[in-house]
Amino acid sequence: AQSVTQLDSHVSVSEGTPVLLRCNYSSSYSPSLFWYVQHPNKGLQLLLKYTSAATLVKGINGFEAEFKKSETSFHLTKPSAHMSDAAEYFCVVSEPTSGTYKYIFGTGTRLKVLA
Amino acid sequence: DSGVTQTPKHLITATGQRVTLRCSPRSGDLSVYWYQQSLDQGLQFLIQYYNGEERAKGNILERFSAQQFPDLHSELNLSSLELGDSALYFCASSVALYNEQFFGPGTRLTVL
Repeated sequence: AQSVTQLDSHVSVSEGTPVLLRCNYSSSYSPSLFWYVQHPNKGLQLLLKYTSAATLVKGINGFEAEFKKSETSFHLTKPSAHMSDAAEYFCVVSEPTSGTYKYIFGTGTRLKVLA
Repeated sequence: DSGVTQTPKHLITATGQRVTLRCSPRSGDLSVYWYQQSLDQGLQFLIQYYNGEERAKGNILERFSAQQFPDLHSELNLSSLELGDSALYFCASSVALYNEQFFGPGTRLTVL
């Protein structure tokens, strides 16, 4: 079975400094990986996805992630944090199962951006 | 705006009652998923439908049921409600079985 580990439950950065949210996965297959963001009392919004094309994936709002097979990692980065980036971030792996695909969610990383 | 709509936004009810949550997927999406999000259990997958047929079941209680109708909208029925059922319920949709999922804004259920 596949699994996802988000290595930090909370991350704090100052506005204008880089953001790094870490995600490791385990997979028997060539995985599809996603990052979602959830602002308070809102639904999950897709930031970016990796589906075995380019290993460096660019997403919305200046975020990007790099798929590293040798390290089984899919870390999310942004060069300069903005106050509006404060939210919870979920790393997700899509797992084939019984004729369909199921999302396996990480436990989330809450990003705090300090003024 | 993901294009997935959910109604109602908020629902307050009493223990023992039954409620129905509704979801309309994005135009063209055939697959619908239901999730429960609570503080203690995080995001839990409940059930998936594809073009009207149930395709996968997760941690869905027997008191809960769902269906997807011919027009592809879906309903999640929760019965004999307990305090612990208070949570955010999300619907998501995708074009096919393996594509990325797009989430609705959620329904916040409060059981008193």
